[in-house]
Amino acid sequence: DAGVIQSPRHEVTEMGQEVTLRCKPISGHNSLFWYRQTMMRGLELLIYFNNNVPIDDSGMPEDRFSAKMPNASFSTLKIQPSEPRDSAVYFCASSLQSGSYGYTFGSGTRLTVV
Amino acid sequence: GENVEQHPSTLSVQEGDSAVIKCTYSDSASNYFPWYKQELGKRPQLIIDIRSNVGEKKDQRIAVTLNKTAKHFSLHITETQPEDSAVYFCAASGGSARQLTFGSGTQLTVLP
Repeated sequence: DAGVIQSPRHEVTEMGQEVTLRCKPISGHNSLFWYRQTMMRGLELLIYFNNNVPIDDSGMPEDRFSAKMPNASFSTLKIQPSEPRDSAVYFCASSLQSGSYGYTFGSGTRLTVV
Repeated sequence: GENVEQHPSTLSVQEGDSAVIKCTYSDSASNYFPWYKQELGKRPQLIIDIRSNVGEKKDQRIAVTLNKTAKHFSLHITETQPEDSAVYFCAASGGSARQLTFGSGTQLTVLP
C-alpha cells in the first residue's frame, strides 16, 4: 500500500494567488482529514469527510479556504486568495473509521506564501 | 467537545533513561487513545494505541497506560535512544467527537 499520497510536497506562491493541495487516501478508508500544522498553533483540524461527505468544517479559518472530496480516492484543499499567514504544513490523513481507528498521515505539503 | 491536555511540553532525558508523557481528557465517553511520533520534517506516525477496555499495552520499549476513572493516559518509553527524539502527540476519540482530538505535543530530546 502506497499510503496517503499528497501533492505537491512543497509550494511557494505569491500572496493573492490560488493554491490547490491534493490528497489520495488509502484505499478502503472512509474518513479523510485535512490538518494544518504551525509552530504557534500545533496541529489544527480544518475539515473532515466521512464517505466523501463533509462532516465538520468548523476548523476552516475563513471563506478563503474550501475543500472537496468528489470521490473516495481524491480530495482537494483550496486557498483563494492566499495570504502569508497561510504559510504552514498541510497534512491529509485517512482512517478506516473516524474515531475508532488511528489515522495515517500523508507526507504533507509545505506551503509558503510570499 | 473533547479536550486533551498534554504535559510536559518539553522533556530531556539521558540515553538509557525512561521517559513518561502524560495526557488527560475531558469526555468520559472517549474510548480510543492513540499516540503519534513526529520526527523533524516528517509526518506524524502512529506508534501505539489503547482502547478503554484495556488498562495497559506494551510494544517492546513502549507502553501506554490508561486510567479511565481519572481520565488520564500515559506513554512510557524505556531505555531511551537518540532516535526516540521527536515530538509525541496523544489523542482521544469515541465520545461526542467522532474525530480524534490531539494534545499539544511533547518535544522529547534524548541526550547521548
